[in-house]
Amino acid sequence: AQRVTQPEKLLSVFKGAPVELKCNYSYSGSPELFWYVQYSRQRLQLLLRHISRESIKGFTADLNKGETSFHLKKPFAQEEDSAMYYCALGPFSGGYNKLIFGAGTRLAVHP
Amino acid sequence: NAGVTQTPKFRVLKTGQSMTLLCAQDMNHEYMYWYRQDPGMGLRLIHYSVGEGTTAKGEVPDGYNVSRLKKQNFLLGLESAAPSQTSVYFCASSAPFRAGELFFGEGSRLTVL
Repeated sequence: AQRVTQPEKLLSVFKGAPVELKCNYSYSGSPELFWYVQYSRQRLQLLLRHISRESIKGFTADLNKGETSFHLKKPFAQEEDSAMYYCALGPFSGGYNKLIFGAGTRLAVHP
Repeated sequence: NAGVTQTPKFRVLKTGQSMTLLCAQDMNHEYMYWYRQDPGMGLRLIHYSVGEGTTAKGEVPDGYNVSRLKKQNFLLGLESAAPSQTSVYFCASSAPFRAGELFFGEGSRLTVL
């Protein structure tokens, strides 16, 4: 079964500390993985996708097929990074974005 | 540019009542989706549509119906609301083959008493 697991409900760090938000997936095919973010009072939005191998707002994520993981990392957290982060798997077929989301991790960055 | 707009944003229903959530997008997207978000469970796909006049079931379709009579609108209906349908509902849209890029509405919080 296709599944996304984010083991931490809350990750609390101090400003300037490194951040790693964990994401593990279960999928028998070739996965496409994404990170979405929801800042306070804003809409859920795409942060980055593994296929682009990009760095957005200092965040990076590497797909590790051996460990079936797609952890989100940032070397130095900022207060404005505080938000809910969702890992998502998909879209599986036809270009439709039938994403499967994890339960989300709340990142709290303290001054 | 409003993007994806959901109405209403809040609603309280009694068990057995019916209601419709409206989603409208102004980006000319082909694909539209309805998700529900429950604590500890992330977002789960209810129904989706790949074009005007088409709909398909997602992961948790029971108790819901949808219609896509116009390309820009995607309606989610609850014919007989149940307390288990208390949730936050999100509509999203996307363009073909823009892998993983969903544009979300602000959400609609529904409480069924």
